[in-house]
Amino acid sequence: NAGVTQTPKFQVLKTGQSMTLQCAQDMNHNSMYWYRQDPGMGLRLIYYSASEGTTDKGEVPNGYNVSRLNKREFSLRLESAAPSQTSVYFCASSESKGTDYEQYFGPGTRLTVT
Amino acid sequence: DQQVKQNSPSLSVQEGRISILNCDYTNSMFDYFLWYKKYPAEGPTFLISISSIKDKNEDGRFTVFLNKSAKHLSLHIVPSQPGDSAVYFCAASSTTEGLTFGTGTRLTIIP
Repeated sequence: NAGVTQTPKFQVLKTGQSMTLQCAQDMNHNSMYWYRQDPGMGLRLIYYSASEGTTDKGEVPNGYNVSRLNKREFSLRLESAAPSQTSVYFCASSESKGTDYEQYFGPGTRLTVT
Repeated sequence: DQQVKQNSPSLSVQEGRISILNCDYTNSMFDYFLWYKKYPAEGPTFLISISSIKDKNEDGRFTVFLNKSAKHLSLHIVPSQPGDSAVYFCAASSTTEGLTFGTGTRLTIIP
């Protein structure tokens, strides 16, 4: 039982390049999330998927797109990377998007855009 | 506008003593509060939570207190152990807002 897995662990991009961050969970959770964490700041929600087939914007969605491929997988795409997107990205999942369900996090992807 | 605030970026505590981490929030719609612990190069891991209908929740060495009138919660760790050294994030949840995190407090336990 791996929990939440993310690939890659590290990535360096040049400005304007695109890439997709992958996330998968094996806990049969309905809801999945993408966050970014910047120095001195808490985790900020980029996008979430309350259930398979649905996605919604979070606090900081600009410059990103997501795909809920199936119940297990939720990917985050940067179409044209910018230095402001240098950050650590965390994927999370929870049983539901109710208020009292804990979210379980992956190990993170450290992205640098030069 | 920071809706969840952790005003102490860092805290050092002697091993065996009590660690108290504080968190304030501004949004009265928050109805569930969580603490996460994060080690370097790892994702946050869930530690303990409390519903807004309670004022205290205890789990082993960890106790969370909620003061709704003051919009304040705290995490008590007693006794503190070296393995408790990590960054602790307070988070608050509501039906409409999802999960909102504070900026974190780095706890260092001194042997």
